Amino acid sequence: DAKTTQPNSMESNEEEPVHLPCNHSTISGTDYIHWYRQLPSQGPEYVIHGLTSNVNNRMASLAIAEDRKSSTLILHRATLRDAAVYYCILRDGNYGGSQGNLIFGKGTKLSVKP
Amino acid sequence: NAGVMQNPRHLVRRRGQEARLRCSPMKGHSHVYWYRQLPEEGLKFMVYLQKENIIDESGMPKERFSAEFPKEGPSILRIQQVVRGDSAAYFCASSPAGGNPSGYTFGSGTRLTVV
Repeated sequence: DAKTTQPNSMESNEEEPVHLPCNHSTISGTDYIHWYRQLPSQGPEYVIHGLTSNVNNRMASLAIAEDRKSSTLILHRATLRDAAVYYCILRDGNYGGSQGNLIFGKGTKLSVKP
Repeated sequence: NAGVMQNPRHLVRRRGQEARLRCSPMKGHSHVYWYRQLPEEGLKFMVYLQKENIIDESGMPKERFSAEFPKEGPSILRIQQVVRGDSAAYFCASSPAGGNPSGYTFGSGTRLTVV
């Protein structure tokens, strides 16, 4: 799995949008971009994933650059409960077999100020 | 529909003792993954199992660590003769056969402290 680069930490104000960047310049054509987050003292939680097109779900939006070498996770209105470490992970489109594991970096620690 | 259940939530062991960590996957999930997280670090993959089979153990230390996922019952991660360096949070995740990202669910982890 290709490597991703994220800022170590970011701060946001409550109720404001947050844009969490991720660089993945060595992404391959079959790599999906996944985002997970880990709240304090919890296991990681799936947030969103995409391949080429921008994606939206109830938790967040994922904006993927046209060349796919970077992406941005967008939280439209940050709440205190969104304070967590956010991980950007690339994973080959073959989910089965020995491709089952995820490779976590250190992620971005998001702090949300009231 | 209960999520991935891990127990115990906290475990304290003296050096040289054995630690047994249990993971019950989500209902209908037949794949289990174990990860370890050291303080201030990201999660590191350890092992991937299906019922009665170890599929990928490339992240498991060669000695003292073993994992199983029997036909009946939870998956077990076993650490023999624990040392202080084994202190970490151990997370289990499960997914359905074939896998898909939204179906990859993590438990709340077991925090092992070796004293």
